[in-house]
Amino acid sequence: EAGVAQSPRYKIIEKRQSVAFWCNPISGHATLYWYQQILGQGPKLLIQFQNNGVVDDSQLPKDRFSAERLKGVDSTLKIQPAKLEDSAVYLCASSFPSNEQFFGPGTRLTVL
Amino acid sequence: GESVGLHLPTLSVQEGDNSIINCAYSNSASDYFIWYKQESGKGPQFIIDIRSNMDKRQGQRVTVLLNKTVKHLSLQIAATQPGDSAVYFCAENLDNYGQNFVFGPGTRLSVLP
Repeated sequence: EAGVAQSPRYKIIEKRQSVAFWCNPISGHATLYWYQQILGQGPKLLIQFQNNGVVDDSQLPKDRFSAERLKGVDSTLKIQPAKLEDSAVYLCASSFPSNEQFFGPGTRLTVL
Repeated sequence: GESVGLHLPTLSVQEGDNSIINCAYSNSASDYFIWYKQESGKGPQFIIDIRSNMDKRQGQRVTVLLNKTVKHLSLQIAATQPGDSAVYFCAENLDNYGQNFVFGPGTRLSVLP
């Protein structure tokens, strides 16, 4: 079974630029999550989708972050404009039908 | 509240010894907990879980203990191997649907030869 795929694996941008991350969950997984993991900390949930609907986006900084999962499969997370404090690893995870979340390898973002 | 830590707690153990990694969780209403292992450059990987109606659960070489009175979890790894070197996170479930988890700050386990 293929795991959660993410791209790109690494991205370096300057502050105020825009960036987008892509996630392809495990086939058949209805729930998809985006996490932000700052160096030295645990992952923090940004947004959770159930199929193509948002379940929880309470911790998503909506002035600059947006996410979509239009067809209930792949998802993109966008940051516009980026700030220095957005430097982190962005993890995508998916789950169905159990509670176990399967994580992708993450995208490491560096904002200069 | 959120834990903010720039320096991960580190546990160093000799290969073959047992490891005990501890975690304090924040919400007494949390009813489901998971331990994750995260190796460098990879996403977290599920190790073992436990529900709040249990005190102990065993897996292969791993045991999770839950003390609800003091809101404490521990992960015990028997006969620690070099491949166990990683950062370990506990995560607590804060909602009834079982899918909204809050992660702890993590502990780095280093296995010495």
